[in-house]
Amino acid sequence: GEDVEQSLFLSVREGDSSVINCTYTDSSSTYLYWYKQEPGAGLQLLTYIFSNMDMKQDQRLTVLLNKKDKHLSLRIADTQTGDSAIYFCAEHYGQNFVFGPGTRLSVLP
Amino acid sequence: DVKVTQSSRYLVKRTGEKVFLECVQDMDHENMFWYRQDPGLGLRLIYFSYDVKMKEKGDIPEGYSVSREKKERFSLILESASTNQTSMYLCASKTEQGAREQYFGPGTRLTVT
Repeated sequence: GEDVEQSLFLSVREGDSSVINCTYTDSSSTYLYWYKQEPGAGLQLLTYIFSNMDMKQDQRLTVLLNKKDKHLSLRIADTQTGDSAIYFCAEHYGQNFVFGPGTRLSVLP
Repeated sequence: DVKVTQSSRYLVKRTGEKVFLECVQDMDHENMFWYRQDPGLGLRLIYFSYDVKMKEKGDIPEGYSVSREKKERFSLILESASTNQTSMYLCASKTEQGAREQYFGPGTRLTVT
């Protein structure tokens, strides 16, 4: 079946950049997504990228897509304590979405 | 403002009990989903529904069933709860047209003792 992989933990200092990485297996995915889950809450869509794009920037967020290596990354510039959350990478596979295990980002003061 | 609500935030049930988890969306979305979330495993799809009275199995349907009698409501049923069904359950909805975003409810943390 389809598989999406992420590292489970990342710690950064406040003000630094965070880079969360993801690999996926389905080369026919049309969209790839980043969701954020804050404690006690559901998932919220942060951003997404269409598969024919290499990069997408939205304020502090930069998404890079390497389709050849099936690698997706999310860069958060000037990371703040409010960015502490679990970040999920997901691919749109057929009718469904396949999620990675989530990366827990801890922002240290 | 889009909204997906789930009937309970926390639920404690005994082994063997029948459990109903309810999800309601107010966006007139055609598609609705039930996931379970476990640490290190991410979200795994249990069932989804394209429309009223339609359902499809996801990746882990065993031990679960669903019901969609009205467009806005999608219910997840545990016929006989077991301890390995202790988890966080997330409901989501999405329009069939255009937009790709799934909207998630806040989740129900179910503990089966």
